[in-house]
Amino acid sequence: GENVEQHPSTLSVQEGDSAVIKCTYSDSASNYFPWYKQELGKGPQLIIDIRSNVGEKKDQRIAVTLNKTAKHFSLHITETQPEDSAVYFCAASRSNTGKLIFGQGTTLQVKP
Amino acid sequence: DAGITQSPRHKVTETGTPVTLRCHQTENHRYMYWYRQDPGHGLRLIHYSYGVKDTDKGEVSDGYSVSRSKTEDFLLTLESATSSQTSVYFCAISESPGMIPYEQYFGPGTRLTVT
Repeated sequence: GENVEQHPSTLSVQEGDSAVIKCTYSDSASNYFPWYKQELGKGPQLIIDIRSNVGEKKDQRIAVTLNKTAKHFSLHITETQPEDSAVYFCAASRSNTGKLIFGQGTTLQVKP
Repeated sequence: DAGITQSPRHKVTETGTPVTLRCHQTENHRYMYWYRQDPGHGLRLIHYSYGVKDTDKGEVSDGYSVSRSKTEDFLLTLESATSSQTSVYFCAISESPGMIPYEQYFGPGTRLTVT
């Protein structure tokens, strides 16, 4: 079935460094790829998304890149801050279903 | 949380009892979803609804049923709770894919423990 693999499962960086989280998807018909941030005890919050007709998208310190040929996409966070510490999830879906398939999550720790 | 509430927020129940979780939205969004979150699995879709009385199964639907009699409410029922259904349950909403494309917004979650 459809699958999304996410790596690494944990990531620790120093404040100010960059963090990169990578995901690979199996369904070649997927065309929507959101990223969510989840803080302890809260629901996931959408932070950025990308559609298959775009290769890269930026929003301030975060960016997402998509390689459709290789079926992988990545989240890049620059100039990390302690408040970036959270669990991050990638997901993929086909536009006609709205059914998201999530990766397993990455716990990001930013050390002051 | 984008006008989404879930109730109850915490529940402990015994094996074999029925349980109903409620999701309520004030955004008038057409689509509503139920996910469960377990360590090592991310979030997995249980059921979703694309309109009043219109529902469909997700990837882990066995043992769960849903109902949607009003746009704003989406109920998830565990027909006979089992320990494997101990999890955190999240509701999400979105506008119709293709209109405001695809963004799903999540509620605060319900922590369910089945003893």
